Amino acid sequence: GQNIDQPTEMTATEGAIVQINCTYQTSGFNGLFWYQQHAGEAPTFLSYNVLDGLEEKGRFSSFLSRSKGYSYLLLKELQMKDSASYLCAVDSYNTDKLIFGTGTRLQVFP
Amino acid sequence: SQTIHQWPATLVQPVGSPLSLECTVEGTSNPNLYWYRQAAGRGLQLLFYSVGIGQISSEVPQNLSASRPQDRQFILSSKKLLLSDSGFYLCAWSGGGASYEQYFGPGTRLTVT
Repeated sequence: GQNIDQPTEMTATEGAIVQINCTYQTSGFNGLFWYQQHAGEAPTFLSYNVLDGLEEKGRFSSFLSRSKGYSYLLLKELQMKDSASYLCAVDSYNTDKLIFGTGTRLQVFP
Repeated sequence: SQTIHQWPATLVQPVGSPLSLECTVEGTSNPNLYWYRQAAGRGLQLLFYSVGIGQISSEVPQNLSASRPQDRQFILSSKKLLLSDSGFYLCAWSGGGASYEQYFGPGTRLTVT
């Protein structure tokens, strides 16, 4: 089967750094996505990791360890607008679908 | 550029009534199309996906069905809604298989009363 785990909620302070973890168990793992979803809106793409290591995109970075079945999304210099849910999703070889985690709701406080 | 449309934006329907949600994509050909449902405070549940006209894969047995009558049109239907069908319905497209970024429509918030 397939299983994806993320913390349900996290809080952080404006200007700080926060790390959102995602662990997965899946057969035929290919890559891992992170999406951001503001309340009442559609998810938007943040990153896609296939290889081990850290990929940086501005204030956001995503890390993957295939051997550990582990990923994290790192958000630096937090802003109020970063308050949103962050969804981890896994794709597998020879499939056309993503499996999403339940998401982590991040609240940024001033 | 590609755009994805969904309508209606919000819908309130009584239990037992039918449902039809439509999704259309512009600016691309032969996209993969997906229907997801998101219950309040929950993650995305994949309901159906399609890799071509008339090709529908169902992920969850339920009282919903999907059809793809045209290359860039994806329809979600039900003959009789249940209370448990309430949620936020999202349509998405991608340019290929699961390793491609998915682009989501604005969603339809359905409340079954």
